[in-house]
Amino acid sequence: KNEVEQSPQNLTAQEGEFITINCSYSVGISALHWLQQHPGGGIVSLFMLSSGKKKHGRLIATINIQEKHSSLHITASHPRDSAVYICAVGLGNQFYFGTGTSLTVIP
Amino acid sequence: DTAVSQTPKYLVTQMGNDKSIKCEQNLGHDTMYWYKQDSKKFLKIMFSYNNKELIINETVPNRFSPKSPDKAHLNLHINSLELGDSAVYFCASSQNPLVSGGEQFFGPGTRLTVL
Repeated sequence: KNEVEQSPQNLTAQEGEFITINCSYSVGISALHWLQQHPGGGIVSLFMLSSGKKKHGRLIATINIQEKHSSLHITASHPRDSAVYICAVGLGNQFYFGTGTSLTVIP
Repeated sequence: DTAVSQTPKYLVTQMGNDKSIKCEQNLGHDTMYWYKQDSKKFLKIMFSYNNKELIINETVPNRFSPKSPDKAHLNLHINSLELGDSAVYFCASSQNPLVSGGEQFFGPGTRLTVL
Protein backbone atom coordinates (compact mmCIF):
# COMPACT_ATOMS: atom_id res chain seq x y z
CA LYS A 1 0.00 0.00 0.00
CA ASN A 2 1.32 3.42 -0.96
CA GLU A 3 2.03 5.87 1.84
CA VAL A 4 0.26 8.59 -0.17
CA GLU A 5 -3.09 8.13 -1.89
CA GLN A 6 -4.65 10.61 -4.27
CA SER A 7 -8.13 10.91 -5.69
CA PRO A 8 -9.43 11.09 -8.26
CA GLN A 9 -6.89 9.45 -10.55
CA ASN A 10 -8.32 11.23 -13.59
CA LEU A 11 -10.46 14.33 -13.77
CA THR A 12 -12.07 16.12 -16.69
CA ALA A 13 -13.66 19.52 -16.14
CA GLN A 14 -15.22 22.28 -18.17
CA GLU A 15 -13.42 25.60 -18.23
CA GLY A 16 -14.49 27.73 -15.29
CA GLU A 17 -15.33 24.85 -12.97
CA PHE A 18 -14.08 24.62 -9.38
CA ILE A 19 -11.77 21.62 -9.00
CA THR A 20 -10.72 19.67 -5.92
CA ILE A 21 -7.99 17.05 -5.76
CA ASN A 22 -7.57 15.07 -2.56
CA CYS A 23 -4.53 13.56 -0.90
CA SER A 24 -4.41 11.23 2.09
CA TYR A 25 -1.28 9.97 3.75
CA SER A 26 -0.56 7.34 6.34
CA VAL A 27 2.68 8.54 7.92
CA GLY A 28 3.65 11.41 10.20
CA ILE A 29 5.13 14.15 8.05
CA SER A 30 7.36 17.19 8.23
CA ALA A 31 5.69 18.82 5.21
CA LEU A 32 3.32 18.09 2.36
CA HIS A 33 4.03 19.21 -1.17
CA TRP A 34 1.81 19.73 -4.17
CA LEU A 35 3.58 19.45 -7.52
CA GLN A 36 2.41 20.06 -11.07
CA GLN A 37 3.79 18.06 -13.98
CA HIS A 38 3.14 19.69 -17.33
CA PRO A 39 2.27 17.66 -20.44
CA GLY A 40 5.83 18.27 -21.62
CA GLY A 41 7.16 16.53 -18.51
CA GLY A 42 8.53 19.41 -16.42
CA ILE A 43 7.73 19.42 -12.69
CA VAL A 44 6.95 22.56 -10.72
CA SER A 45 6.46 22.87 -6.98
CA LEU A 46 3.12 24.56 -6.30
CA PHE A 47 2.90 24.49 -2.52
CA MET A 48 4.74 23.25 0.53
CA LEU A 49 2.68 23.27 3.69
CA SER A 50 2.74 21.79 7.14
CA SER A 51 -0.45 23.33 8.53
CA GLY A 52 -3.44 25.42 7.57
CA LYS A 53 -3.96 26.85 4.14
CA LYS A 54 -1.99 28.54 1.37
CA LYS A 55 -3.21 30.46 -1.65
CA HIS A 56 -1.43 31.37 -4.86
CA GLY A 57 -3.51 32.97 -7.57
CA ARG A 58 -6.36 30.59 -8.38
CA LEU A 59 -4.80 27.72 -6.46
CA ILE A 60 -5.53 26.95 -2.82
CA ALA A 61 -4.00 24.16 -0.76
CA THR A 62 -5.23 23.04 2.63
CA ILE A 63 -3.99 20.47 5.08
CA ASN A 64 -5.56 18.79 8.10
CA ILE A 65 -2.77 17.23 10.10
CA GLN A 66 -5.07 15.34 12.47
CA GLU A 67 -6.92 13.70 9.60
CA LYS A 68 -3.75 13.27 7.52
CA HIS A 69 -5.48 14.83 4.54
CA SER A 70 -4.81 17.64 2.11
CA SER A 71 -6.78 19.17 -0.73
CA LEU A 72 -5.73 21.20 -3.74
CA HIS A 73 -8.42 23.49 -5.13
CA ILE A 74 -8.39 25.29 -8.46
CA THR A 75 -10.90 28.08 -8.89
CA ALA A 76 -12.11 29.21 -12.33
CA SER A 77 -10.23 26.39 -14.06
CA HIS A 78 -8.61 27.04 -17.42
CA PRO A 79 -7.30 24.72 -20.16
CA ARG A 80 -3.75 25.73 -19.23
CA ASP A 81 -4.35 24.06 -15.83
CA SER A 82 -4.37 20.71 -17.64
CA ALA A 83 -1.54 18.73 -16.08
CA VAL A 84 -0.81 15.97 -13.60
CA TYR A 85 -0.98 17.12 -9.98
CA ILE A 86 1.14 15.15 -7.55
CA CYS A 87 0.96 15.11 -3.77
CA ALA A 88 4.14 14.23 -1.90
CA VAL A 89 5.03 14.06 1.77
CA GLY A 90 8.35 14.43 3.51
CA LEU A 91 9.12 12.19 6.46
CA GLY A 92 12.59 12.61 7.84
CA ASN A 93 14.92 12.22 4.90
CA GLN A 94 12.40 10.30 2.84
CA PHE A 95 9.96 11.64 0.31
CA TYR A 96 6.85 9.72 -0.75
CA PHE A 97 4.81 10.53 -3.84
CA GLY A 98 1.18 9.92 -4.68
CA THR A 99 0.35 8.42 -8.06
CA GLY A 100 -0.87 11.75 -9.37
CA THR A 101 -4.17 13.14 -10.63
CA SER A 102 -4.41 13.79 -14.35
CA LEU A 103 -6.53 16.89 -14.93
CA THR A 104 -7.94 17.89 -18.29
CA VAL A 105 -9.82 21.18 -18.57
CA ILE A 106 -11.95 21.45 -21.68
CA PRO A 107 -12.61 24.87 -23.23
CA ASP B 1 18.48 31.60 -16.34
CA THR B 2 17.93 27.91 -15.74
CA ALA B 3 17.72 27.15 -12.02
CA VAL B 4 18.28 23.39 -12.19
CA SER B 5 19.71 21.97 -15.38
CA GLN B 6 20.36 18.39 -16.48
CA THR B 7 22.32 16.89 -19.32
CA PRO B 8 21.65 15.07 -21.47
CA LYS B 9 17.91 15.48 -22.05
CA TYR B 10 17.73 12.14 -23.83
CA LEU B 11 20.03 9.15 -23.44
CA VAL B 12 19.75 5.93 -25.44
CA THR B 13 22.21 3.18 -24.67
CA GLN B 14 22.75 -0.56 -24.71
CA MET B 15 22.35 -2.94 -21.79
CA GLY B 16 25.53 -3.39 -19.80
CA ASN B 17 26.92 0.06 -20.52
CA ASP B 18 27.90 2.62 -17.89
CA LYS B 19 26.47 6.12 -18.21
CA SER B 20 26.26 9.40 -16.30
CA ILE B 21 23.68 12.14 -16.04
CA LYS B 22 24.82 15.56 -14.92
CA CYS B 23 22.90 18.02 -12.77
CA GLU B 24 23.72 21.58 -11.84
CA GLN B 25 21.80 24.15 -9.79
CA ASN B 26 22.53 27.87 -9.62
CA LEU B 27 20.17 28.60 -6.72
CA GLY B 28 22.78 28.31 -3.99
CA HIS B 29 20.82 25.47 -2.42
CA ASP B 30 22.37 23.10 0.10
CA THR B 31 20.47 19.94 -0.77
CA MET B 32 20.15 18.09 -4.06
CA TYR B 33 18.15 15.03 -5.06
CA TRP B 34 17.71 12.42 -7.72
CA TYR B 35 14.28 11.00 -8.56
CA LYS B 36 13.17 8.25 -10.92
CA GLN B 37 9.84 8.37 -12.78
CA ASP B 38 8.89 5.00 -14.20
CA SER B 39 6.73 4.16 -17.21
CA LYS B 40 3.61 4.45 -15.08
CA LYS B 41 4.63 8.02 -14.21
CA PHE B 42 5.24 7.10 -10.57
CA LEU B 43 7.96 9.17 -8.91
CA LYS B 44 10.37 7.77 -6.37
CA ILE B 45 13.24 9.40 -4.54
CA MET B 46 16.62 7.79 -5.14
CA PHE B 47 19.07 9.98 -3.23
CA SER B 48 19.32 13.18 -1.31
CA TYR B 49 22.67 14.88 -0.69
CA ASN B 50 23.19 17.61 1.88
CA ASN B 51 26.51 18.99 3.12
CA LYS B 52 28.30 15.83 2.05
CA GLU B 53 25.72 13.66 3.77
CA LEU B 54 24.23 11.12 1.40
CA ILE B 55 20.84 9.63 2.16
CA ILE B 56 20.06 6.63 0.02
CA ASN B 57 16.72 5.09 -0.66
CA GLU B 58 17.31 1.47 0.32
CA THR B 59 15.48 0.21 -2.76
CA VAL B 60 18.03 1.75 -5.13
CA PRO B 61 20.46 -0.82 -6.61
CA ASN B 62 24.12 -0.16 -5.83
CA ARG B 63 24.73 0.16 -9.58
CA PHE B 64 23.49 3.71 -9.08
CA SER B 65 25.86 6.15 -7.41
CA PRO B 66 25.62 9.91 -6.97
CA LYS B 67 28.78 11.99 -7.21
CA SER B 68 28.97 15.59 -5.97
CA PRO B 69 32.10 17.49 -7.03
CA ASP B 70 30.76 20.62 -5.32
CA LYS B 71 27.60 22.01 -3.75
CA ALA B 72 26.13 23.05 -7.11
CA HIS B 73 26.48 19.68 -8.82
CA LEU B 74 25.12 16.20 -8.21
CA ASN B 75 25.80 13.75 -10.99
CA LEU B 76 24.26 10.30 -11.29
CA HIS B 77 26.40 7.40 -12.42
CA ILE B 78 24.81 4.16 -13.47
CA ASN B 79 26.85 0.99 -14.01
CA SER B 80 25.86 -2.10 -15.96
CA LEU B 81 22.62 -0.64 -17.25
CA GLU B 82 19.57 -2.90 -17.33
CA LEU B 83 16.33 -2.70 -19.29
CA GLY B 84 14.45 -1.81 -16.10
CA ASP B 85 16.54 1.30 -15.69
CA SER B 86 14.65 2.91 -18.56
CA ALA B 87 12.82 5.85 -17.02
CA VAL B 88 12.89 9.60 -16.69
CA TYR B 89 15.36 10.80 -14.09
CA PHE B 90 14.80 14.15 -12.41
CA CYS B 91 17.31 16.14 -10.45
CA ALA B 92 16.05 18.67 -7.88
CA SER B 93 17.38 20.99 -5.23
CA SER B 94 16.11 22.70 -2.11
CA GLN B 95 17.49 25.24 0.34
CA ASN B 96 16.54 23.11 3.32
CA PRO B 97 16.71 19.34 3.62
CA LEU B 98 13.55 17.28 3.48
CA VAL B 99 13.47 16.91 7.24
CA SER B 100 12.99 20.69 7.49
CA GLY B 101 10.41 20.96 4.75
CA GLY B 102 12.57 21.48 1.66
CA GLU B 103 10.61 23.16 -1.17
CA GLN B 104 11.87 21.48 -4.31
CA PHE B 105 13.06 22.94 -7.60
CA PHE B 106 13.18 20.37 -10.38
CA GLY B 107 15.34 19.98 -13.43
CA PRO B 108 13.76 19.23 -16.82
CA GLY B 109 14.41 15.50 -16.61
CA THR B 110 16.57 13.04 -18.55
CA ARG B 111 14.80 10.31 -20.49
CA LEU B 112 16.97 7.19 -20.35
CA THR B 113 16.21 4.34 -22.73
CA VAL B 114 18.12 1.09 -22.36
CA LEU B 115 18.00 -1.21 -25.37
